Amino acid sequence: EAGVTQFPSHSVIEKGQTVTLRCDPISGHDNLYWYRRVMGKEIKFLLHFVKESKQDESGMPNNRFLAERTGGTYSTLKVQPAELEDSGVYFCASSKQASGVTEAFFGQGTRLTVV
Amino acid sequence: QQQVKQSPQSLIVQKGGIPIINCAYENTAFDYFPWYQQFPGKGPALLIAIRPDVSEKKEGRFTISFNKSAKQFSLHIMDSQPGDSATYFCAASMRGATNKLIFGTGTLLAVQP
Repeated sequence: EAGVTQFPSHSVIEKGQTVTLRCDPISGHDNLYWYRRVMGKEIKFLLHFVKESKQDESGMPNNRFLAERTGGTYSTLKVQPAELEDSGVYFCASSKQASGVTEAFFGQGTRLTVV
Repeated sequence: QQQVKQSPQSLIVQKGGIPIINCAYENTAFDYFPWYQQFPGKGPALLIAIRPDVSEKKEGRFTISFNKSAKQFSLHIMDSQPGDSATYFCAASMRGATNKLIFGTGTLLAVQP
């Protein structure tokens, strides 16, 4: 069974540009999460999808971040325009069900560097 | 405001030693406390988890000790090996619609041969 896959692994962009990160969850997992780790700090929750619906987007930093999950399969996270403080590692995770805690499986992350 | 505080930031032990990583939380509504292990270039992977109705859980060489009254929990790695060198994150979540994880800042562990 394939794990959670994220693309790209690394991205270096200039301030003001747009970047789109992609996450393919484990097949059959309705729950998809985005997290971010800024260097040396904790991994912070960004948002949670249940199928194609946003269940909780309380962690999204501002309106420069847009997440979508069309059809309830893969998800994209777009940053437009990117700022220096957006640099960090973006993780995607998926799990089978939200009611009753179940294990969240993480992708390898996308390292975003804004210069 | 950081809801889960983790220490130490980094830790070096000799092979066979018992590294201990500590975490403290504030929100008494948390009811699930996992530990994640992350190797360079990989995503965090669930190592072991505990619920607050037990004080200890052991899986292989990894043990979680949980102190509900002190709102603290810790990870012990018995007979540590160089292959255990990784970053360890404690986390907490509460039963609900989201089950989002609240992570600590991570501990970089190096086990020297």
